[in-house]
Amino acid sequence: RKEVEQDPGPFNVPEGATVAFNCTYSNSASQSFFWYRQDCRKEPKLLMSVYSSGNEDGRFTAQLNRASQYISLLIRDSKLSDSATYLCVVRSNAGKSTFGDGTTLTVKP
Amino acid sequence: GAVVSQHPSWVICKSGTSVKIECRSLDFQATTMFWYRQFPKQSLMLMATSNEGSKATYEQGVEKDKFLINHASLTLSTLTVTSAHPEDSSFYICSAKEPNYNEQFFGPGTRLTVL
Repeated sequence: RKEVEQDPGPFNVPEGATVAFNCTYSNSASQSFFWYRQDCRKEPKLLMSVYSSGNEDGRFTAQLNRASQYISLLIRDSKLSDSATYLCVVRSNAGKSTFGDGTTLTVKP
Repeated sequence: GAVVSQHPSWVICKSGTSVKIECRSLDFQATTMFWYRQFPKQSLMLMATSNEGSKATYEQGVEKDKFLINHASLTLSTLTVTSAHPEDSSFYICSAKEPNYNEQFFGPGTRLTVL
């Protein structure tokens, strides 16, 4: 079993749709959690950190459930520019990051 | 955010040659840097953790004699792929841990193609 598992996707949605990505992790000692965005042939870019209290940044909402070892990302009112691969990242106290395989989102006009 | 650079951004080499990739933190000192590899349609896989002034810690399955890591200063880590072969062709990405925050900043990556 992989340490970090994500929805395999791909997700193909129309503009304006709401889309949710799920992620589970197996190491209960994991310390911090993130969603990254990666465009084709580019490095990952931090989208947002994820907290148990939930956090929102504009159209993006992230949630962490430590008891279930589950992380989610919700994107509202999808834009064409949201098309990318979204990576769930779990980080240990030592800073070692484990990436999920990513979920590809394509937003269509 | 902090800036991490990598050089070169892409390299093509012949099989059997060695290739050195540099990772620099431009506006902060990074005691810890990480090297990742990403094959097409796959996610990033951690290869090793590079600690300034000490030996790197390699992940299981990564050959330390093939992937030489040197972290000689607080702003520079290098990864040398020795005797590169076509199966080493990949996207190599470094990240640097900003000591004052629980954040890592990724370099732009180096695309290695071994012919």
